[in-house]
Amino acid sequence: KQEVTQIPAALSVPEGENLVLNCSFTDSAIYNLQWFRQDPGKGLTSLLLIQSSQREQTSGRLNASLDKSSGRSTLYIAASQPGDSATYLCAVLIYNQGGKLIFGQGTELSVKP
Amino acid sequence: KAGVTQTPRYLIKTRGQQVTLSCSPISGHRSVSWYQQTPGQGLQFLFEYFSETQRNKGNFPGRFSGRQFSNSRSEMNVSTLELGDSALYLCASRETGTGDQPQHFGDGTRLSIL
Repeated sequence: KQEVTQIPAALSVPEGENLVLNCSFTDSAIYNLQWFRQDPGKGLTSLLLIQSSQREQTSGRLNASLDKSSGRSTLYIAASQPGDSATYLCAVLIYNQGGKLIFGQGTELSVKP
Repeated sequence: KAGVTQTPRYLIKTRGQQVTLSCSPISGHRSVSWYQQTPGQGLQFLFEYFSETQRNKGNFPGRFSGRQFSNSRSEMNVSTLELGDSALYLCASRETGTGDQPQHFGDGTRLSIL
């Protein structure tokens, strides 16, 4: 059974710091991995999608990596800003399960001015 | 393009009632999935519809059902509501039924059961 874990559960950093969020999964037979952001009371905003054949994806200050063999992904945020404060979720899509995403519990990020 | 639209945004119901939630996917998207989010269980998959057919179903009781219309809009129905059904219900759409497309989420419907 696929399980997704995110560590740490919460993180507080001063503005301007570079930071890394971690995501691990137990079964390497994934189709892709997606990182999302969720603001309080809102839905999920898709940040990056990494296919199983890819090693990393970049969008602006965000860089996501994927190591399928070790069951790990990281989301790197450069030069953090208070507007980055949110909960970050990773989710994996596994083969033969249609569109079923399996989510981690999220990392709540707070960036202090 | 407009994003995924869910209505209503908030609902208050009492135990035993039933409720219907609506989701309009991004124009051109044919796959719609539903998720339940609670503080204790996190995000859990309910079901996915593609071209009006249910493709996959999560581990929820039969009180939870859904359907998809020919215009790809989807509805989710919960009957005989229980206190534990209080949650944020999120809908996601993607362009195709294959895994190479990202899923895009709406802002959800917050359901409270009294």
